[in-house]
Amino acid sequence: QSVLTQPPSASGTPGQRVTISCSGSSSNIGDNYVYWYQQFPGTAPKLLIYRNDQRPSGVPDRFSGSKSGTSASLAIRGLRSEDEADYYCATWDDSLRGRVFGGGTKLTVL
Amino acid sequence: QEQLVQSGAEVKKPGASVKVSCQASGSMFTTYYMHWVRQAPGQGLEWIGIINPGGDSTTYAQQFQGRVAMTRDTSTGTLYMELSSLRSEDTAVYYCAREDSSSGQLMDYWGQGTLVTVSS
Repeated sequence: QSVLTQPPSASGTPGQRVTISCSGSSSNIGDNYVYWYQQFPGTAPKLLIYRNDQRPSGVPDRFSGSKSGTSASLAIRGLRSEDEADYYCATWDDSLRGRVFGGGTKLTVL
Repeated sequence: QEQLVQSGAEVKKPGASVKVSCQASGSMFTTYYMHWVRQAPGQGLEWIGIINPGGDSTTYAQQFQGRVAMTRDTSTGTLYMELSSLRSEDTAVYYCAREDSSSGQLMDYWGQGTLVTVSS
């Protein structure tokens, strides 16, 4: 059972905008930065968003992150077939004194 | 080129220990905090812990405390993660990952992963 709650699946058609939510509490998202990772089958995760809404060099601006209170969201606009992957949110939890990940969301491009 | 190269797959019996290594190249090693994360088959990511650049401070996830040890050899640029008292639930791919605290980029570089299989 993950401390951070993500929908297990999401879907969209090419060109659409999709959002993936990540819900936590005051001891994690509410008081700490949120990070997002993209993972393709059989490969290591890739950092997509750091410090809530910052994109590492090389990440397309189609990807954006936001945070409000104890929830965060990853938005992907102009959806492409190559965006089909698993997406994970992560943050620090003050109570657990450790990093925590969401359970992951499998994004399907229809 | 920045790179993290991990050791090969391991098969262990329940109750045994496993030690996974992560070799860092370039400037990857000396000034960065390093994390270990695992992923059981078909499951999500699970944080195991972190070690500081000097190797003298570690923080472990509560569920691994007492069973995990993270070390780093600064002379060879190698990280180690040892997990003991293995059980079948420890079967997973184990990853090392870098934290660039100066820029705030958490886990921006990852190793390729090491599959650890625990089976009798």
